[in-house]
Amino acid sequence: DIVMTQSPDSLAVSLGERATINCQSNQSVLFSSNSKNYLAWYQQKPGQPPKLLIYWASTRESGVPDRFSGSGSGTDFTLSISSLQAEDVAVYYCQQYYSTPCTFGQGTKLEIK
Amino acid sequence: EVQVVESGGGLVQPGGSLRLSCAASGFTFSSYWMTWVRQAPGKGLEWVAKINQDGSEKYYADSVKGRFTISRDNAKNSLYLQMNTLRAEDTAVYYCARDSAAFDLWGQGTLVTVSS
Repeated sequence: DIVMTQSPDSLAVSLGERATINCQSNQSVLFSSNSKNYLAWYQQKPGQPPKLLIYWASTRESGVPDRFSGSGSGTDFTLSISSLQAEDVAVYYCQQYYSTPCTFGQGTKLEIK
Repeated sequence: EVQVVESGGGLVQPGGSLRLSCAASGFTFSSYWMTWVRQAPGKGLEWVAKINQDGSEKYYADSVKGRFTISRDNAKNSLYLQMNTLRAEDTAVYYCARDSAAFDLWGQGTLVTVSS
C-alpha cells in the first residue's frame, strides 16, 4: 500500500496570511502514460463530511475558492491557501488514488493564530 | 439536488451484523464507481470498499476483507455495505461517496457503534 505522510500535523496561521500543507507519498503517484498525478486534497470541518478541494494534484473542484491551490508531482505535493479566512479552519487530508487501496494522509489541523 | 444519503447505522454487539444503505439522487448512479469510507471517532479517513458501475468488480480494504460485502442496485439507485462479524475497531462513521477517481460527492455519514 502507498503510505501518505502529511506535515505538519497542525498549523496555526493568522487571518489573511498564507497556509501551506505538505503531503509526501512513499512511491510516485504520477502515471506516466497520461502525465497525471493521482492526488487529491479534502477539507473536513467539524461535524461535516470531507469535501473535495483539489484533484489531479492541481485541479480545483468546481465552486472551490481560488485562494486554494495544489502543486507538486511524483511524491511531493503541497496545498496552499493564499489568504486564510476564518471559514478555512478545518482538517485537511491528502489522498492518493493511483492504486488500490487508495490511502489518505493522517490529516493536518488548520487553526487561526 | 445531487446527493447521497446513508442509513442503517446503529449499536451492535461484537460479532453481530449490520447492513448500511446509501441512496443516490440527482445524477446517473449507474455511471459511477461508488465507495465506502469510514472514520473512527477522532481519527482520520480509511477507505473500506469500492464497486464498479455494474457491480462486477469489487475491492476491499484488508481490514474488512471476508467480513464486509459491498453491493449495489442500479434500479433503486442504491449502494449497500453488508457488515458481518463486527469488531470494536469497526466503530466509525461510515460515508458513502461517489468515486470519480477522487471522491467528489459525500454523504453525511452513518454512525456504527460496536459495543457490548
